[in-house]
Amino acid sequence: DIQMTQSPSSLSASVGDRVTITCRASQSISRYLNWYQQKPGKAPKLLIYAASTLQSGVPSRFSGSGSGTDFTLTISSLQPEDFATYYCQQSHSTPPTFGGGTKVEIK
Amino acid sequence: QVQLVQSGAEVKNPGASVKVSCKASGYTFTGYYIHWVRQAPGQGLEWMAWINPNSGDTNYAQKFQGGVTVTRDTSIITAYMDLTRLRSDDTAVYYCARGSSLYDGMDVWGQGTTVTVSS
Repeated sequence: DIQMTQSPSSLSASVGDRVTITCRASQSISRYLNWYQQKPGKAPKLLIYAASTLQSGVPSRFSGSGSGTDFTLTISSLQPEDFATYYCQQSHSTPPTFGGGTKVEIK
Repeated sequence: QVQLVQSGAEVKNPGASVKVSCKASGYTFTGYYIHWVRQAPGQGLEWMAWINPNSGDTNYAQKFQGGVTVTRDTSIITAYMDLTRLRSDDTAVYYCARGSSLYDGMDVWGQGTTVTVSS
């Protein structure tokens, strides 16, 4: 199975900050990397697929980059509604696997 | 609109079984995979299985082989996840989610079904 490692596991940031979350795969996954946002008590929401394609309706302050084994999710200017947990997931091969999550908290 | 609606919360004794349903609406049910993902309390996301509603083909995470069965009924556009021989560490929220192919993200999620296993 492909292991996905996210860092950091948590971070504190202020509204307006630029936030970067990284995700590393244990082997090359090309660009088959997806990012999700999850708020407490809610289902995950797809933000970005294929490493850098924004899902419909997702604000443009979210962006993704990377290929191969190293990927990044960036929030250009953190908004109050962005405080949540973020997960990466590889869809290169079955079983699909998720990173451990990054909790973004208010500073 | 496109949505997946899951069955309600369940409380089960250890050793029992539970069947969670996931009803689709607003899209062609047979055109998308259905994944099952679970989340234990305070933990991350764990993929369990997928089903191709068109062919009925399935694939399971090794951890769940033999203990989980996913099925579908195309006549009522509903997918099911059957979990047997429940243990306390099966206590979790179980989600169904849609994917247009196995290489795509899961773009629509059910609201989740909480399964509590306790004696």
